[in-house]
Amino acid sequence: QKEVEQNSGPLSVPEGAIASLNCTYSDRGSQSFFWYRQYSGKSPELIMFIYSNGDKEDGRFTAQLNKASQYVSLLIRDSQPSDSATYLCAGRKRTFRGSQGNLIFGKGTKLSVKP
Amino acid sequence: DAMVIQNPRYQVTQFGKPVTLSCSQTLNHNVMYWYQQKSSQAPKLLFHYYDKDFNNEADTPDNFQSRRPNTSFCFLDIRSPGLGDAAMYLCATSREGEDTQYFGPGTRLTVL
Repeated sequence: QKEVEQNSGPLSVPEGAIASLNCTYSDRGSQSFFWYRQYSGKSPELIMFIYSNGDKEDGRFTAQLNKASQYVSLLIRDSQPSDSATYLCAGRKRTFRGSQGNLIFGKGTKLSVKP
Repeated sequence: DAMVIQNPRYQVTQFGKPVTLSCSQTLNHNVMYWYQQKSSQAPKLLFHYYDKDFNNEADTPDNFQSRRPNTSFCFLDIRSPGLGDAAMYLCATSREGEDTQYFGPGTRLTVL
């Protein structure tokens, strides 16, 4: 079983709509979750991270975490064409050294925002 | 500006010809990572360093080696590249105990 799973998409939404991106994970030991945006041919850039159950908002972005359901989501309000990219979900897995862990990435969901 | 730099941005090599990719950082982070990302796939961790402590992922092929001569620099050596090694190679850094990993722009490797 893959550790972090995402629907590959593409997810297509009209400009101004809410885009909802979802992610599930299998490792209950994962403590923190990250959303990265990756434009084609570019490196991932961090949008936000979350480690507590509930919602975390940053501008147009809201991350949601439900540890009981092992589910993470990212909502993008007022979607813009510039939001068109692949969104990578990642969980941080524990390693032997303290609480610092390595990121386990999902394959990403491709989002297309149509003008 | 503090950042993660990767050189070269594009690298073309021949089948079996050794190649070295470099990463440098001005963030003074003690943790550095190398990821491999193939088209439409997730970034896959190859190895990482905590300071000079090297940590190899169990499924990283022996063909891939790494060196970290100092805090700022880290190198990825591919001893005998195969066609299947064509990918984007991403370097990332973080400060131990902090959540965020900072990625460099990546090096796209083509194997002919």
